[in-house]
Amino acid sequence: GAVVSQHPSRVICKSGTSVKIECRSLDFQATTMFWYRQFPKQSLMLMATSNEGSKATYEQGVEKDKFLINHASLTLSTLTVTSAHPEDSSFYICSARGQPNQPQHFGDGTRLSIL
Amino acid sequence: DQQVKQNSPSLSVQEGRISILNCDYTNSMFDYFLWYKKYPAEGPTFLISISSIKDKNEDGRFTVFLNKSAKHLSLHIVPSQPGDSAVYFCAAKGGTGTASKLTFGTGTRLQVTL
Repeated sequence: GAVVSQHPSRVICKSGTSVKIECRSLDFQATTMFWYRQFPKQSLMLMATSNEGSKATYEQGVEKDKFLINHASLTLSTLTVTSAHPEDSSFYICSARGQPNQPQHFGDGTRLSIL
Repeated sequence: DQQVKQNSPSLSVQEGRISILNCDYTNSMFDYFLWYKKYPAEGPTFLISISSIKDKNEDGRFTVFLNKSAKHLSLHIVPSQPGDSAVYFCAAKGGTGTASKLTFGTGTRLQVTL
């Protein structure tokens, strides 16, 4: 089946650091990639949607200057959390989709901890 | 405003019995529904889906039922196995084309006991 690789799986860093998370579709071309954030015992909250070669579309309340998303190719999207602070600590999950009528496939997530 | 709701945060079922996970939604524009399974510290794994034009879809031990008039869907797992223990999320797709996106429920933790 489709595989989405997300890296790193865990990051611990100091406040003020910028952190980059990569999401790769390994065996299909991801026309669209999604970035989610999950708080403990809560649902996956969509942060932004990106289509290859286009600017990302951010959900209401998500700061685009804080969470920089790049989707430069059909197999790679990156999320950069800029100047991270403790409140940015969370579980970030990417997902990728080929065509709109196909299911989304998820990476294994990145646990981000800001000290 | 939670458009997709899973009102049971947890469910315990004996091995071999049927597990029924429920999901309700409020947006009548959703046209496609999916169930995902998630283990701790991993991303969700796609299980099964159903289009809004159908009322049932079956794949092995997994069957999803959709009741559009009630805006309700359910996932049946039979027979339940210990490896099915995980958190199950239902998701609903809205929007069209590349702008379509999923809205997730809050999840139901299924525990299959021996």
